[in-house]
Amino acid sequence: GAGVSQSPSNKVTEKGKDVELRCDPISGHTALYWYRQSLGQGLEFLIYFQGNSAPDKSGLPSDRFSAERTGGSVSTLTIQRTQQEDSAVYLCASSLWGLGLAGGTNEQFFGPGTRLTVL
Amino acid sequence: GNSVTQMEGPVTLSEEAFLTINCTYTATGYPSLFWYVQYPGEGLQLLLKATKADDKGSNKGFEATYRKETTSFHLEKGSVQVSDSAVYFCALDSPSGGYNKLIFGAGTRLAVHP
Repeated sequence: GAGVSQSPSNKVTEKGKDVELRCDPISGHTALYWYRQSLGQGLEFLIYFQGNSAPDKSGLPSDRFSAERTGGSVSTLTIQRTQQEDSAVYLCASSLWGLGLAGGTNEQFFGPGTRLTVL
Repeated sequence: GNSVTQMEGPVTLSEEAFLTINCTYTATGYPSLFWYVQYPGEGLQLLLKATKADDKGSNKGFEATYRKETTSFHLEKGSVQVSDSAVYFCALDSPSGGYNKLIFGAGTRLAVHP
């Protein structure tokens, strides 16, 4: 079946421009996560969605970053006034639900990522 | 807070050599532990997991045992292949408020030569 898809796969932008990154999770997955993979910081959690709500935005690095999810499906991560330190690979993951039965773990399935380069 | 520390790479091995990539963690509560693999040009894939102490996760010849006493989850493979060349990430989940966010180690690049 179809996995998590992300677009664009690569984005090059100029400092100060806004960018939008899109994530299409696996159909039926209610939980959606954004992570960032950068050379200096490794893989960092950014934000979590359960349905359309985002109960945890604690990983967003600044108020230039925002995300939304509509219809419990597609999510968009927006970065305003991009800076060079925003250059990274942005990964999206989805899971069937946020927390497994009896507190167990649901596997997160990752998309291929969007490589963002800010010049 | 919760954290994961894994050995720095790159690790360079000849085909059929034994592989160990060390991973230790700091966590409150009882997290699940994971190894993810990222092949060149591809996304992260779950390689194996263990959900409680003394569990052994295994897949594709790789194994890791959840050791609570040493807070470790070392990845091992008895005989690596060129196709195992990739970046390996150790991770734990951090159950909080009804969901599991993943906390990753820095990643270890493995290069296997024929």
